[in-house]
Amino acid sequence: EDKVVQSPLSLVVHEGDTVTLNCSYEVTNFRSLLWYKQEKKAPTFLFMLTSSGIEKKSGRLSSILDKKELFSILNITATQTGDSAVYLCAVGNEYNFNKFYFGSGTKLNVKP
Amino acid sequence: DVKVTQSSRYLVKRTGEKVFLECVQDMDHENMFWYRQDPGLGLRLIYFSYDVKMKEKGDIPEGYSVSREKKERFSLILESASTNQTSMYLCASNLDRHNQPQHFGDGTRLSIL
Repeated sequence: EDKVVQSPLSLVVHEGDTVTLNCSYEVTNFRSLLWYKQEKKAPTFLFMLTSSGIEKKSGRLSSILDKKELFSILNITATQTGDSAVYLCAVGNEYNFNKFYFGSGTKLNVKP
Repeated sequence: DVKVTQSSRYLVKRTGEKVFLECVQDMDHENMFWYRQDPGLGLRLIYFSYDVKMKEKGDIPEGYSVSREKKERFSLILESASTNQTSMYLCASNLDRHNQPQHFGDGTRLSIL
């Protein structure tokens, strides 16, 4: 059965800390891995990863994919209270553009 | 920027009622999706549509139906609402080609009493 597992389920840190969120997957016909940030509203797209070892970076956020070990990490450096959110990982299917497997998310709480 | 708009942020209905959730996107996307989001279960796909009047069942279609009469609008229908359908409902859309992220609406938190 295809599945996506995120860890930890929740995390509390203080401003300025660095955090690493994990996403492992067992999905046949892997096409891509996506990270989203969900505050109180719509999940917003962060990164899409398709190739192993190539880091994607946006400001203090970065992500990398390991297709051999079947996982991805999302790093956030110098965390701020505005980073508090649920971070979702999703895996896309190679043969079905409409099929995405979602993890249950990691809830990050950044305290001042 | 893509805008996906869901008609209600919060909705309270009674058991047995017929409930309509509406979603509109403004970027001419072919694909539209309805998910429900429950704690610990992540996002689960209810239905998706890849064209007007075309639909396919997702992972949990029981108790739901959908309608797509126009490309920009995708409706989710709870035929006879039950308490186990209390949830957050998210609509999404994307282009029908490789490596296209989904764009989500703000969600409708539906409570069935």
